[in-house]
Amino acid sequence: EAQVTQNPRYLITVTGKKLTVTCSQNMNHEYMSWYRQDPGLGLRQIYYSMNVEVTDKGDVPEGYKVSRKEKRNFPLILESPSPNQTSLYFCASSLSVGDYEQYFGPGTRLTVT
Amino acid sequence: QKEVEQNSGPLSVPEGAIASLNCTYSDRGSQSFFWYRQYSGKSPELIMFIYSNGDKEDGRFTAQLNKASQYVSLLIRDSQPSDSATYLCAVRAGNQFYFGTGTSLTVIP
Repeated sequence: EAQVTQNPRYLITVTGKKLTVTCSQNMNHEYMSWYRQDPGLGLRQIYYSMNVEVTDKGDVPEGYKVSRKEKRNFPLILESPSPNQTSLYFCASSLSVGDYEQYFGPGTRLTVT
Repeated sequence: QKEVEQNSGPLSVPEGAIASLNCTYSDRGSQSFFWYRQYSGKSPELIMFIYSNGDKEDGRFTAQLNKASQYVSLLIRDSQPSDSATYLCAVRAGNQFYFGTGTSLTVIP
């Protein structure tokens, strides 16, 4: 089944404790992206990747890191999480950037206390 | 700052009616425009996209784009209770995507 998977689905952590949210797609997509969704602010792009080893900042990259060592995986790293990073996070992938559907993962609800 | 604006709603329509959802965007260089549907607690799913001025129809859905007015709309004909969801407008500018905050639609049986 074609899909985007994210792990974990739910995470409660404390300020400053490094964490990684994994994202994997099995559709051989080139373009991958991370979004956060907050009430009243909508979906905002954190980072995106055009292809392996090519990543770039989105609208809200502060406090996040990403890497794209393999085509299928695009982990999101929070080196020192803070409470303002409490949010619902979505990973998405598409065949390429352009007029293509983005397929979203199921979401990761992160709470930082 | 590139902005995408939608009325948050809630928008309520009776079953069988036409639901009209609107979106404006600030960046004249935006290239393509997407409508996603998001059910409560779920991830967004693409309904359709449009990149040329005019109308694009897909089943009960019609997207309309007016680049001069920087306006995109989605019409849902013969609305069904299963259409009750939040509708997200998204805009692609270069390699980035910008989303509106969504319009909540309720279709009343």
